[in-house]
Amino acid sequence: DIQLTQSPSSLSASIGDRVTISCQASQYITKSFNWYQQKPGKAPKLLIYDASNLETGVPSRFSGRGSGTDFTLTISSLQPEDSATYYCQQYDNLPPTFGGGTKVDIK
Amino acid sequence: QVQLQESGPGLVKPSETLSLTCNVSGVSMTGYHWSWIRQAPGKELDWIGYIDYSGNTNYNPSLKSRLTFSIDTSKNQFSLKLSSVTAADSAVYYCARGGGKRQIGVLDSWGHGTLITVSS
Repeated sequence: DIQLTQSPSSLSASIGDRVTISCQASQYITKSFNWYQQKPGKAPKLLIYDASNLETGVPSRFSGRGSGTDFTLTISSLQPEDSATYYCQQYDNLPPTFGGGTKVDIK
Repeated sequence: QVQLQESGPGLVKPSETLSLTCNVSGVSMTGYHWSWIRQAPGKELDWIGYIDYSGNTNYNPSLKSRLTFSIDTSKNQFSLKLSSVTAADSAVYYCARGGGKRQIGVLDSWGHGTLITVSS
């Protein structure tokens, strides 16, 4: 299985800050890579698919990039509603695997 | 608008079989892959497997020997059976949709999740 290591595991930032979350894969991945947002007690929500494509309805302050083994999710200007845990996911190889999550708090 | 809703027993005894159903509304099941994912309390997401509209399955190897998926497109639902459960199977279980015009692993719609506790 491909292991995904997210960093940091948690962060605290202020409204308007630029926030970047990293995800490193244990093996090379093409572009079969997604990012999800999960709020407490809720199901995950797809934010970014195929590494850099913004899901319909997701605010443009979210962006994704990367290839190979290193991927990032960036929130360009953090908003109060962005307080959540973010997960990366690969599906280049079966089984699809998820990262350990990054919890984003608002200062 | 696609909606998914899991249903299950809530509590299952050790060594018994867990049965879950996911009801799908707002979309035909044809052309998509239907996944199960679980999340133990405070833990990361764990992909269990998927079934497509034709009944083809792909299971996580770590659970394969205990898993059975089924699908009934006439009822717009799909189901999971996990046998010989232990406390390690306690988790929130989600159903989700993938595929269609995108890759199988792009899970664009999820159910709210159902909490399953394995305990005597």
